[in-house]
Amino acid sequence: AQSVTQLDSQVPVFEEAPVELRCNYSSSVSVYLFWYVQYPNQGLQLLLKYLSGSTLVKGINGFEAEFNKSQTSFHLRKPSVHISDTAEYFCAVSVDKLIFGTGTRLQVFP
Amino acid sequence: SQTIHQWPATLVQPVGSPLSLECTVEGTSNPNLYWYRQAAGRGLQLLFYSVGIGQISSEVPQNLSASRPQDRQFILSSKKLLLSDSGFYLCAWSVMNAAGQYFGPGTRLTVT
Repeated sequence: AQSVTQLDSQVPVFEEAPVELRCNYSSSVSVYLFWYVQYPNQGLQLLLKYLSGSTLVKGINGFEAEFNKSQTSFHLRKPSVHISDTAEYFCAVSVDKLIFGTGTRLQVFP
Repeated sequence: SQTIHQWPATLVQPVGSPLSLECTVEGTSNPNLYWYRQAAGRGLQLLFYSVGIGQISSEVPQNLSASRPQDRQFILSSKKLLLSDSGFYLCAWSVMNAAGQYFGPGTRLTVT
């Protein structure tokens, strides 16, 4: 069975600082990996996905993530965050179904 | 392009009352459809998924049921709501697992 662990429930950061949101997964087979963002009282929006190929994946809103097979990680990064990036971020893994982590609340302060 | 709609956006219902939430998808055919629940401060819980009309798989035994009367319509129902049914309900669609799932705007349900 697959599982996803988001290591930080909350990440506070100041505007224009870099940020990394951590995600580790467990699976005995190859998986597809995703990051979603959820703004308050809204649905989830797909930020980026890793299916195969280059391990560095670029997504929307300046985010990127790197797939590391040996460490079974898929951390999300942004070099300079904005106030508008304040949201909940979910990592997910898929083989036949999408399994979500418990989310990381990114709070950007001015 | 594909769009997904959910209604209502918010709902306040008394305990013991029935429930019907609707989800429709436009711009694609034969989508896989999903219902998730997100309780306050928690992650997403998959409730039901459907790979075709009349085909429903339940992930968690509960007070809810789902139906898919048309290719792009997915309905979540309950005959008698419980307090524990409160939460944010999200509908999603996908074509293939590898493409990821795309979510609707959600319905905020409060059972009083």
